[in-house]
This record gives sequence, C-alpha cells and structure tokens, in this order.
Amino acid sequence: EDQVTQSPEALRLQEGESSSLNCSYTVSGLRGLFWYRQDPGKGPEFLFTLYSAGEEKEKERLKATLTKKESFLHITAPKPEDSATYLCAVQAGNFNKFYFGSGTKLNVKP
Amino acid sequence: EPEVTQTPSHQVTQMGQEVILRCVPISNHLYFYWYRQILGQKVEFLVSFYNNEISEKSEIFDDQFSVERPDGSNFTLKIRSTKLEDSAMYFCASRGAPAEAFFGQGTRLTVV
Repeated sequence: EDQVTQSPEALRLQEGESSSLNCSYTVSGLRGLFWYRQDPGKGPEFLFTLYSAGEEKEKERLKATLTKKESFLHITAPKPEDSATYLCAVQAGNFNKFYFGSGTKLNVKP
Repeated sequence: EPEVTQTPSHQVTQMGQEVILRCVPISNHLYFYWYRQILGQKVEFLVSFYNNEISEKSEIFDDQFSVERPDGSNFTLKIRSTKLEDSAMYFCASRGAPAEAFFGQGTRLTVV
C-alpha cells in the first residue's frame, strides 16, 4: 500500500539551531514529491516540488532534497516565524492524487 | 497572485442536514480535488475531478458525497446527510499543467 511517513512528529528548536525533517515514501508510479507548510486552521501552503532523485530546491532558510526513498527538508538558522506544521505529499497514479504524511510540527523558540 | 477560494470559512450544521461547500479554483487549472483533515489527523484524499467527471475517489467518498462543477468557475462538494464524524476541515485544491496543487484555506465543518 502506498505510504508516506514523516519524522519526527514534533520538533522543538532554538532560534538559529539548524535541523532536518524527514519524509520517507513507498508509492508506485511516483510523479513528484511536495513540501507544504500548514499554519493552524489554514490550508497547506505550497513550498517545493521535487521530481527526481538528486534534485534540490531552496527557498530562504529552507532546502529540500530527494532520494529514491526519502526527502529531507533542511531548515538553516530557523526563526520563530518558521514555526508551523510541515507536510510532505507524494503524487502518484493516473490522476495524480496526493498522499500526505502526518506532518512534523516545528516549534522555534526565540 | 492567483489563489483557490473556499466558502464558507466555517459551517455549523445539524446532523442529517445537507451541506454544500464551495470552491473557486485557480482559473485555467484542469484538475480539482477535495481533501479533508479531521482535527489532529493527516490530510486525506476524498476525490479528484477532471474533464467534468470524477477521476478517482477514496473509500471515504461514499454515496453521501457528491461533487459538481456547475459552471466554469465553481467546484462544489455536497454532503447529503451529515454525520458527526463528517466534522473536519475540508480543503479544495486545483492543479494546472505543472504538478503542484494549490490549496484553499479550507472550510471548517462542524456537525452537531
């Protein structure tokens, strides 16, 4: 069965303390892997798309990487405003539905 | 910047009542989706819609649910007879030729 697993479930960082979030997946017919940010009570906000192993994308303090089995979201020198839940989703199948992981809740303390 | 718009932001309904959740996808997008997120749980796929018909649906999307694109801009999700367990955030998403989907801010449905 297609599956997306994110770890850790929750992560507490001090401001400036870099870390990584993991997303591992088992899907057939992968079309792409996506990272979203979700603030409480809001919809997922698109961050990155990765299509093939070895690909990397960067945006401000965030960098996403992809291997054949997992993706990492690296957060460099995070700030309190980076606090949110980060969702990983993979796109597969003929009509490209998205399978979401449970998310990593990031809390960055000043 | 184009965005997916959902209305209402919050809907409270009595068990057994019908609700219609509305979405205006990004214009010129071709693929439309409904997802839901029960409080504290993961975002779950409900249904995808392409070329004016359902292309895929999940086990959750039973006969109580239906989707419609009544005109060129709106995309609706109807729940015919709501149950307590239908309480959740419902997200509409749309996708164009690039792969990424863009999500609306959601409708919080509370069934009492």
